[in-house]
Amino acid sequence: AQSVTQLGSHVSVSEGALVLLRCNYSSSVPPYLFWYVQYPNQGLQLLLKYTTGATLVKGINGFEAEFKKSETSFHLTKPSAHMSDAAEYFCAVTLFGGTSYGKLTFGQGTILTVHP
Amino acid sequence: DGGITQSPKYLFRKEGQNVTLSCEQNLNHDAMYWYRQDPGQGLRLIYYSQIVNDFQKGDIAEGYSVSREKKESFPLTVTSAQKNPTAFYLCASSIVRREPVDNEQFFGPGTRLTVL
Repeated sequence: AQSVTQLGSHVSVSEGALVLLRCNYSSSVPPYLFWYVQYPNQGLQLLLKYTTGATLVKGINGFEAEFKKSETSFHLTKPSAHMSDAAEYFCAVTLFGGTSYGKLTFGQGTILTVHP
Repeated sequence: DGGITQSPKYLFRKEGQNVTLSCEQNLNHDAMYWYRQDPGQGLRLIYYSQIVNDFQKGDIAEGYSVSREKKESFPLTVTSAQKNPTAFYLCASSIVRREPVDNEQFFGPGTRLTVL
């Protein structure tokens, strides 16, 4: 079974500051990892995903994440926050194959607030 | 434009009533999913279907029912047996392949259900 833990349910940054949202996973086999963003009262939109290959993944809106197997982490970063980045962010994991095929397990979400 | 539609956006229900949430996709995806979202709990999987006329229970299926008579449609019924149905419900779809690269799930805009 797989699980995801997002450290910090709320993160607050100033506009222009570094954004760091933390995600750790637990999995008995190599995982596939995703970050989604959700704006209020809307569905989820994919920011980026890691499946195989390069461990540093670049996504939309200037976000990137690095898969670190030794630390079982997949933290999301953005060098300079913008007001429009204020939203809730979800980390998710899925396994390749078996009965978990295709099913996503989500973290509890991190609400990002950006101050002027 | 291809996408997922959910209707209605807001739904109010009296206790003891069944209610059906609609989900339609024109992405030609085989797999469809229903999630429930509560504040601070992330997304929890209710039911999923990988092929027409077949579906499986997710982590919190009690009090819910689904059908998959057509590839593009996956309605969710919230029955009176669901003890705490007030929540935000999200529908998603994805292709079904044995390689996870394209197993990204696409989400609808959601339906907010309130039980009065």
